[in-house]
Amino acid sequence: EVQLVESGGGFVQPGGSLRLSCAASGFTFSRSWMYWVRQAPGEGLVWVARLNSDGSSSRYEDSVKGRFTISRDNAKNTLDLQMNSLRHDDTAVYYCAREDGDNSGWHFDLWGRGTLVTVSS
Amino acid sequence: DIQMTQSPSSLSASVGDRVTITCRASQKISNYVNWYQQKAGKAPKLLIYGASSLQSGVPSRFSGSGSGTTFTLTIRSLQPEDFATYHCQQSYSIPRTFGQGTKVEIK
Repeated sequence: EVQLVESGGGFVQPGGSLRLSCAASGFTFSRSWMYWVRQAPGEGLVWVARLNSDGSSSRYEDSVKGRFTISRDNAKNTLDLQMNSLRHDDTAVYYCAREDGDNSGWHFDLWGRGTLVTVSS
Repeated sequence: DIQMTQSPSSLSASVGDRVTITCRASQKISNYVNWYQQKAGKAPKLLIYGASSLQSGVPSRFSGSGSGTTFTLTIRSLQPEDFATYHCQQSYSIPRTFGQGTKVEIK
């Protein structure tokens, strides 16, 4: 079955760290560009980080630069997000998503169920 | 960053109604717009990509149109399972940005 399954969410105090993981199956993970997208309670979707297929090029949303690190292990078909110096406004459901397409357009065609991160004292 | 602005932010409609949601980009983005449906507590699901291409498995009552800065998602005859939040998203540039969402509720 083609799927993405996130894990690692939970409750953490401000300033703390958390590592999210996304397990991919049913498709050629090593060819896929992968993203983390988050959604704060009652809010819209926000792109957090992107990693290209071989892990050599990453990009981050401005508010997480220097605090979050996206990485992947193509041998294990996993995508990770190391989150440090967490703040209250990082509270959200974090989704792992695959971007597919070509030069005529790109789209997120596969999403995980999400994992909830709550930052609170 | 490209800003995506959806309207309305919410709407009430009845089963069988025709529903149209609009998304406006802060600059021209050709046809690099996608639409997603999200039900409460669930992950988004891709409906339309490239402004007008229907994702495999999505019912034909969903359609998309537009180019440049203004895009629309139309649901031809609203069904009970269509009550959800709809998000537009641009893939013209990084960062990928989404609209704020449009919640479609039962009238």
